[in-house]
Amino acid sequence: SQKIEQNSEALNIQEGKTATLTCNYTNYSPAYLQWYRQDPGRGPVFLLLIRENEKEKRKERLKVTFDTTLKQSLFHITASQPADSATYLCASDSNYQLIWGAGTKLIIKP
Amino acid sequence: EAGVAQSPRYKIIEKRQSVAFWCNPISGHATLYWYQQILGQGPKLLIQFQNNGVVDDSQLPKDRFSAERLKGVDSTLKIQPAKLEDSAVYLCATQTGRQETQYFGPGTRLLVL
Repeated sequence: SQKIEQNSEALNIQEGKTATLTCNYTNYSPAYLQWYRQDPGRGPVFLLLIRENEKEKRKERLKVTFDTTLKQSLFHITASQPADSATYLCASDSNYQLIWGAGTKLIIKP
Repeated sequence: EAGVAQSPRYKIIEKRQSVAFWCNPISGHATLYWYQQILGQGPKLLIQFQNNGVVDDSQLPKDRFSAERLKGVDSTLKIQPAKLEDSAVYLCATQTGRQETQYFGPGTRLLVL
C-alpha cells in the first residue's frame, strides 16, 4: 500500500544551524509533495509544494528537494530560530487526495 | 480573507454519547475535508466533499460517523455513539478547485471518557 514516512523522533537543533527533515514514500510515485507546519493546538499551515519535475524549491529560509530516485523529499530550514520549533508534516498526492506522514517535531534550542 | 472556522474547540463527552462538530469554509472553496488526527499521527481523511456532494467517504466509520454539507458551504460531522478510540482532534480543511494547497481550521479536540 502507499505509504509516506517521516522520522518520528524529535529533532533537536541549535539556533542558527540548518535543520533537515526527511520524508520518504513507498509503493507509488506522487506528482507532488507538500510540507506543512503544525503548532500545538492548531491546524497544519501550508509551507511549500514541490512537483516531481522540480529538484528544488526555496522560500526565504526554507528549501525543499524532491529526489524521485531515492523516493525522498528533504526539508531544510537555514539559520534556524526558536520560533521555528513546531511539528512539520509531509503530504503527497494520491488519487486527488493527500496522504500524510506522522510529522517530525523540531526543537530549536537557543 | 477569513480562515476556516470550526466549533467547538474542545468537547468532553462520555462513551456512547453523541457529538457534532461544525465547519465554515473559506468563501468560494468548493472542496471540504474532514480529518481525524490522533496524537502523534498525521491527519487521516474521513470524508471529502466537492460542493455538497461526497467524493470519498471510504474511511468514514459509517456505523457511527455521519457528515453533511448542505448547500455546499458549512459542514457538520457527527459521531453517534462515541467510543473511547474516537478521542482525537477533528480537523476541517478546504481547498479551491485550482490549487493543491489545503487550508485548515484550528480543529476540535474531542475527549471521550
